[in-house]
Amino acid sequence: AQKVTQAQTEISVVEKEDVTLDCVYETRDTTYYLFWYKQPPSGELVFLIRRNSFDEQNEISGRYSWNFQKSTSSFNFTITASQVVDSAVYFCALSEEDDKIIFGKGTRLHILP
Amino acid sequence: ETGVTQTPRHLVMGMTNKKSLKCEQHLGHNAMYWYKQSAKKPLELMFVYSLEERVENNSVPSRFSPECPNSSHLFLHLHTLQPEDSALYLCASSQEWGDNSPLHFGNGTRLTVT
Repeated sequence: AQKVTQAQTEISVVEKEDVTLDCVYETRDTTYYLFWYKQPPSGELVFLIRRNSFDEQNEISGRYSWNFQKSTSSFNFTITASQVVDSAVYFCALSEEDDKIIFGKGTRLHILP
Repeated sequence: ETGVTQTPRHLVMGMTNKKSLKCEQHLGHNAMYWYKQSAKKPLELMFVYSLEERVENNSVPSRFSPECPNSSHLFLHLHTLQPEDSALYLCASSQEWGDNSPLHFGNGTRLTVT
């Protein structure tokens, strides 16, 4: 079973629409960390956010927001008023107490002009 | 200057060749990583070095041989590869191993084995 599931393989939305990328994780540890990374066409993964398991506050950074819900083991990522530059592959990741980071398979996001 | 630099960006090699991938980080980090990214598969952690000591080796075939001469440089030596080894190889660094600090990635080397 996958520990990090990103069920949406590919999403296309028109520019200025809002879009939510889903991430569901699985762990038995009480202490863990969740991450989101962005991989633009240039190849490098860019760190977006880290959340620890004890902090369920939602976070907003500009047009980006994250909804962490332990009850559903989800850490979803929403882009508001999407732009073409948001087109990329987005990865959710989990780090458990053994310190190994497990990545999901990624969601490829296309923002259409 | 970017934080993590990888060379070459693209590499085509035959199965009998020997080549090396290079990674350099300018962030003062103590941990460095090699990841493999294949189509339709999650990123696979290959090796981790912390302060030049290897701390993780995830059942990687011996045709991949890492080297970390100092905390700023990481190499991946390739020998007798197979076509299924074609992938994007990503180097990353973090402040420390085991502190869950974010990874900083390079642009990757796109490897094609013919």
